[in-house]
Amino acid sequence: DAGITQSPRHKVTETGTPVTLRCHQTENHRYMYWYRQDPGHGLRLIHYSYGVKDTDKGEVSDGYSVSRSKTEDFLLTLESATSSQTSVYFCAIAASGYEQYFGPGTRLTVT
Amino acid sequence: LAKTTQPISMDSYEGQEVNITCSHNNIATNDYITWYQQFPSQGPRFIIQGYKTKVTNEVASLFIPADRKSSTLSLPRVSLSDTAVYYCLVGDSGGSNYKLTFGKGTLLTVNP
Repeated sequence: DAGITQSPRHKVTETGTPVTLRCHQTENHRYMYWYRQDPGHGLRLIHYSYGVKDTDKGEVSDGYSVSRSKTEDFLLTLESATSSQTSVYFCAIAASGYEQYFGPGTRLTVT
Repeated sequence: LAKTTQPISMDSYEGQEVNITCSHNNIATNDYITWYQQFPSQGPRFIIQGYKTKVTNEVASLFIPADRKSSTLSLPRVSLSDTAVYYCLVGDSGGSNYKLTFGKGTLLTVNP
């Protein structure tokens, strides 16, 4: 399996609080992605990165920000969590092309 | 961005060959076709990728006709452990850093 970890794996937080999810890779891959998965919607891309300090928005980026200060870490921040952001969050990495390797996921519950 | 259409669900039995067809009528010249598999509570896993004709690896085969408006993922002799959601994706090749758009996929259920 590709060396990709996510932390925390589970989190419960209250509405209005900031939350940061971390994705860490040991593969030195250039591309990193954050997705969310909800019943009935499949996986949706939130943000992605194509290099250190190079990021761009996906299809559901509102309410989320990201940062990538070094190759191995890609952080996803919910500035002020809302109940609609309750979801399973997956990070993925790719060297190039469309073969992405996914992390184990983070289950976030916003109460 | 090319959209894909695939069946919501399929049923099969152990030992059978399963073919899942995906349509992508608006595929662009430079787009590749990629398939992923996802088990419950896990992230998707890359299965196979192709551009045209046939691609085979140790897990599956991918058949792509000359017009590339559809593709068929073939799983030989499925087992119960192949029960999963299968996603067909067409890569966004417009200089957008390999973004993938996942649809809802096909839930394949393999019965004993």
